[in-house]
Amino acid sequence: DTAVSQTPKYLVTQMGNDKSIKCEQNLGHDTMYWYKQDSKKFLKIMFSYNNKELIINETVPNRFSPKSPDKAHLNLHINSLELGDSAVYFCASSLYGQFVPEAFFGQGTRLTVV
Amino acid sequence: QQQVKQSPQSLIVQKGGIPIINCAYENTAFDYFPWYQQFPGKGPALLIAIRPDVSEKKEGRFTISFNKSAKQFSLHIMDSQPGDSATYFCAASGEGSSNTGKLIFGQGTTLQVKP
Repeated sequence: DTAVSQTPKYLVTQMGNDKSIKCEQNLGHDTMYWYKQDSKKFLKIMFSYNNKELIINETVPNRFSPKSPDKAHLNLHINSLELGDSAVYFCASSLYGQFVPEAFFGQGTRLTVV
Repeated sequence: QQQVKQSPQSLIVQKGGIPIINCAYENTAFDYFPWYQQFPGKGPALLIAIRPDVSEKKEGRFTISFNKSAKQFSLHIMDSQPGDSATYFCAASGEGSSNTGKLIFGQGTTLQVKP
């Protein structure tokens, strides 16, 4: 069983389009995250939800909108895609407030904007 | 502002060698320091982690050394194998009792272990 699963794994789209990435975790965690990995492999947090409540919102263009219908799911919708949005997007999950906040990552979604 | 600085960017060792990857952090509020391993096309996976109340932690062939006063920590891989070839990330986290689990990552180190 996959602990954190993302769909799709690959996404190729044209500039200006709107796209969504979905994430689901079956670990019973209450906190989920979106991280962006750029072409130099640098990982940076974008958003985090705890029990459907947004708790982290880094400096991200408002074209990016996360949504969490329940604590096991976190989706990322991107409007008006730009070339610079091309990256690998990772979903992760953990338990909030833990002494050892181990985060589990999905396999990533490689977004290519052409 | 890069809160966690990692070096070297890339590393090549022979099988059996001991690659060492170093990280330095700035924020003294950090209290959890994990290392993640990432293979091509995969997500990062937790390898080993340490808290600042200990100076060293070993798990199998992987060892973290932690120097709180210098705000530095490092990963040592004993008896490295070609299967250890991957990108390694250090990270830091910690906001006390309200820890959101937000991870601040280093820039990553690409390790190649030659047979």
